[in-house]
Amino acid sequence: EAAVTQSPRNKVAVTGGKVTLSCNQTNNHNNMYWYRQDTGHGLRLIHYSYGAGSTEKGDIPDGYKASRPSQENFSLILELATPSQTSVYFCASGEDWGLYEQYFGPGTRLTVL
Amino acid sequence: GEKVEQHESTLSVREGDSAVINCTYTDTASSYFPWYKQEAGKSLHFVIDIRSNVDRKQSQRLIVLLDKKAKRFSLHITATQPEDSAIYFCAASRNYNQGKLIFGQGTKLSIKP
Repeated sequence: EAAVTQSPRNKVAVTGGKVTLSCNQTNNHNNMYWYRQDTGHGLRLIHYSYGAGSTEKGDIPDGYKASRPSQENFSLILELATPSQTSVYFCASGEDWGLYEQYFGPGTRLTVL
Repeated sequence: GEKVEQHESTLSVREGDSAVINCTYTDTASSYFPWYKQEAGKSLHFVIDIRSNVDRKQSQRLIVLLDKKAKRFSLHITATQPEDSAIYFCAASRNYNQGKLIFGQGTKLSIKP
């Protein structure tokens, strides 16, 4: 069965600290995505990747970096966390070209104090 | 930038009745329109989609209608059941856009007994 996992599931960070959110997929999908979910905004795309070694900016990339070291793993990095980055973060994977369903991970709740 | 608007932030219907959630989009090049469901405290999962080459698609109790001229699409849930209670997100994407979905803000559907 298709599976996307995320770690950690919950994280409390301090302002100015570095945070790394990790995502692993066993779907063998080329495409992976990082979204954040905030009330009133739905899901917004932060970064995405269409294969190992590639990262692309999404709609709200400022303050975030991404890394795709392998087909299975895609990380989201907050070098200097700020309280405005408090949110729920979802990773997803999908088929090439994207016109198919995306499979979402369970989410990471990040609180930046 | 391009937007997807969900008109109803909350919707309450009686069990057994139909529920309709409406979305509009701004990007005339949009060609793929998926819907996702998020149950309380859980992640998102895909429920149904429609592509721009058709104007209606049905999967069991779910019907999606697409009006390209009005740039509007809607999800109809017939014979609603308690397990239909969730937040529903509509989204839109262009052809061959690496799966860059633009999501609506979400509609919280409650099914009353």
